[in-house]
Amino acid sequence: DGGITQSPKYLFRKEGQNVTLSCEQNLNHDAMYWYRQDPGQGLRLIYYSQIVNDFQKGDIAEGYSVSREKKESFPLTVTSAQKNPTAFYLCASSEGGVYTDTQYFGPGTRLTVL
Amino acid sequence: KQEVTQIPAALSVPEGENLVLNCSFTDSAIYNLQWFRQDPGKGLTSLLLIQSSQREQTSGRLNASLDKSSGRSTLYIAASQPGDSATYLCAVRYAGGTSYGKLTFGQGTILTVHP
Repeated sequence: DGGITQSPKYLFRKEGQNVTLSCEQNLNHDAMYWYRQDPGQGLRLIYYSQIVNDFQKGDIAEGYSVSREKKESFPLTVTSAQKNPTAFYLCASSEGGVYTDTQYFGPGTRLTVL
Repeated sequence: KQEVTQIPAALSVPEGENLVLNCSFTDSAIYNLQWFRQDPGKGLTSLLLIQSSQREQTSGRLNASLDKSSGRSTLYIAASQPGDSATYLCAVRYAGGTSYGKLTFGQGTILTVHP
């Protein structure tokens, strides 16, 4: 089946820890995205990548880092510098290259700081 | 500031009713507008994508319209069913300004269809 997978589904972090969220897609899409969703709010863009080995900051990149070493993978690291990381994190992908395409989303990872 | 607003925040209707969800955006220069569905604790599922040159898109019982001049889109759901209960999100891809090329999301409308 083609799609986007995210792991883990639930993640717990202690204060001061860095954690990495996984996102993999087998849709052969060029572009990938990371969003954060807080209760009662829409999604906010953290980082996006339109091609391998290239990525750009979104609206709320502080305290986060990403890499794009392979087309199918776009992991997100939540660092200790992110002061309020508890949220629902969503990864998405699209064919990329043009601004007319549909974004497809993974099932999400819920991160909780203990 | 380029924003997207959805009204109402929540809507409860009896099964079988036709309903309309509203989305407004602040800049008419857009590439496209997309409607998504989100079930509790899940990811987003794309419902309809309307390009800036289009006026509407239809998929089954769903019809989405786009009026760029007024900065509005509506999602019409015909003959609603309990399985339609979910949060519906509108997202706009602006063609200029600080949000250029990125999806800007509304806060969503929580829809409950009761039997």
